[in-house]
Amino acid sequence: KQEVTQIPAALSVPEGENLVLNCSFTDSAIYNLQWFRQDPGKGLTSLLLIQSSQREQTSGRLNASLDKSSGRSTLYIAASQPGDSATYLCAATSGGTSYGKLTFGQGTILTVHP
Amino acid sequence: GAGVSQSPSNKVTEKGKDVELRCDPISGHTALYWYRQSLGQGLEFLIYFQGNSAPDKSGLPSDRFSAERTGGSVSTLTIQRTQQEDSAVYLCASSLTPGPSGIGSDEQYFGPGTRLTVT
Repeated sequence: KQEVTQIPAALSVPEGENLVLNCSFTDSAIYNLQWFRQDPGKGLTSLLLIQSSQREQTSGRLNASLDKSSGRSTLYIAASQPGDSATYLCAATSGGTSYGKLTFGQGTILTVHP
Repeated sequence: GAGVSQSPSNKVTEKGKDVELRCDPISGHTALYWYRQSLGQGLEFLIYFQGNSAPDKSGLPSDRFSAERTGGSVSTLTIQRTQQEDSAVYLCASSLTPGPSGIGSDEQYFGPGTRLTVT
């Protein structure tokens, strides 16, 4: 059974700082890993999807990496802004009959203060 | 284009009543997923549809929960005889394809959710 863990649970940084959010998963036979952000009272917004054959994906100030062998993914946010404040969730898609099913971590609550 | 939509956005119901939650996926998306988000359990998978069939119902918590999808589009999640522990936000997502076996699946796009409160 796939289990996903995110650390830290919460992070508070000053504006402009570069930061890294960590995600680990127990079953390395994943198909892909997806990072989301969730604003309070809202649904999930997809940030990046890394296929199992890829090592990283970039979108603007965001960069996500994937290391299947160690069961880890990181989300790097450059030059953080107050608008980046949200909960960040990673989710892994496993194989077999469960492909497509996302298993989520508990999330990292990010606060970027001016 | 339009994203995933869900209705109602909020639903308050009395314990024991049945409720129906609706999801309209992104047009053309063949795969549809239901998840539940509650304070104690985080985000949990409920059920997955490919077209109108549901190859994975493993996350449905009890036989009070059922879901269907018609015309390869709209899906309805039904909860019978609601209990207080059913209170949560129910999220729907869709993707273009689930991906063939052994190949990565496509990005899932989520709706805004339905907040269900059982009193």
